[in-house]
Amino acid sequence: AQKVTQAQTEISVVEKEDVTLDCVYETRDTTYYLFWYKQPPSGELVFLIRRNSFDEQNEISGRYSWNFQKSTSSFNFTITASQVVDSAVYFCALSDFNKFYFGSGTKLNVKP
Amino acid sequence: GAVVSQHPSRVICKSGTSVKIECRSLDFQATTMFWYRQFPKQSLMLMATSNEGSKATYEQGVEKDKFLINHASLTLSTLTVTSAHPEDSSFYICSAATGALNTEAFFGQGTRLTVV
Repeated sequence: AQKVTQAQTEISVVEKEDVTLDCVYETRDTTYYLFWYKQPPSGELVFLIRRNSFDEQNEISGRYSWNFQKSTSSFNFTITASQVVDSAVYFCALSDFNKFYFGSGTKLNVKP
Repeated sequence: GAVVSQHPSRVICKSGTSVKIECRSLDFQATTMFWYRQFPKQSLMLMATSNEGSKATYEQGVEKDKFLINHASLTLSTLTVTSAHPEDSSFYICSAATGALNTEAFFGQGTRLTVV
């Protein structure tokens, strides 16, 4: 069975601090996709990144970076120099043939 | 990316009534659509998978007679919450996918249902 664990329920940081959101997953599949989504209070899911199981290369996009390690089944997300606008709930998810399994989410509070 | 439109974005209904939520793929044909439910401060949980032209597949614990899903065309799936109760109040969100895009799925904006 697929499972995604986000152990951090809520994180509070002060603006400009770096913050890492953890994600650990379980799957027996050899081919799968991992995602991160941002969910602001309005509710819609904002796509951040997709990674397939064969691509362990880390990725950086502006202030965002992702560290994918198959050896530890982790797909962590780091925000550098956090901003108040980064405040939201962040979900890590695993996709199995388009069916998504979400973690419980991490609420990030960035204070000015 | 592809666009999925969900309507309405918010709805308030009285207990005992039914409410329909639409999920449309605007610029692609979706052979498969998924419906998720999110209770306040909780994660998104898959409710059902709908395939165009066939019956939906429901996840364990989801009442198929209460949550009616229809996927009559390649661009539209509907979720009808029948005989709604206050405990059905939740955020419902759909996603749509095509076989051509493989494991690429696109989410609608979500529908916040409040049953009073």
